[in-house]
Amino acid sequence: DQQVKQNSPSLSVQEGRISILNCDYTNSMFDYFLWYKKYPAEGPTFLISISSIKDKNEDGRFTVFLNKSAKHLSLHIVPSQPGDSAVYFCAASFSGNTGKLIFGQGTTLQVKP
Amino acid sequence: KAGVTQTPRYLIKTRGQQVTLSCSPISGHRSVSWYQQTPGQGLQFLFEYFSETQRNKGNFPGRFSGRQFSNSRSEMNVSTLELGDSALYLCASSERDYQETQYFGPGTRLLVL
Repeated sequence: DQQVKQNSPSLSVQEGRISILNCDYTNSMFDYFLWYKKYPAEGPTFLISISSIKDKNEDGRFTVFLNKSAKHLSLHIVPSQPGDSAVYFCAASFSGNTGKLIFGQGTTLQVKP
Repeated sequence: KAGVTQTPRYLIKTRGQQVTLSCSPISGHRSVSWYQQTPGQGLQFLFEYFSETQRNKGNFPGRFSGRQFSNSRSEMNVSTLELGDSALYLCASSERDYQETQYFGPGTRLLVL
């Protein structure tokens, strides 16, 4: 049972444009969501998170949007840079079980110069 | 602060052997979680330790075990290794309980021959 899904395995965008990565979840108990960036053979690097009491959170070029009714979140990167090329994972957890993150399968982002 | 450290970074074992991986969390972090990453299954939760107690366990066989010491350092052990245990094993730490971000180490790459 895939509780967190990233339906797009890959995404390619031009440098300077917006990158939008999507994530869907099925468990309505999730109340904390995170995005991580990962390079091969390295650990995931935390990017940004959002609590279910919010619908938007910004940090520099990164913005995460949460639509609870649709059980959908998205990560916007503006402007995209070649150094953003990596695999992006969304993850979810819920109160009382925050030590356990449920990850999506990841989306490979390629930003072309 | 220093980040999460994991040792060793690379390991080669043969089937039937056992292996112990080590994780040192960020100073002050009391929660340590372990994850397995494989190409087929993605990032999957193994278990979580908090104040030397296992709080959560993922859906892995009993060959996978772990522990946490009083200084929050953690070890995981895999006994009777199988070829399918070849993976990147990731450790993550967080400071406390509620909606806390997990920070990952670089991982240990295990190859079982």
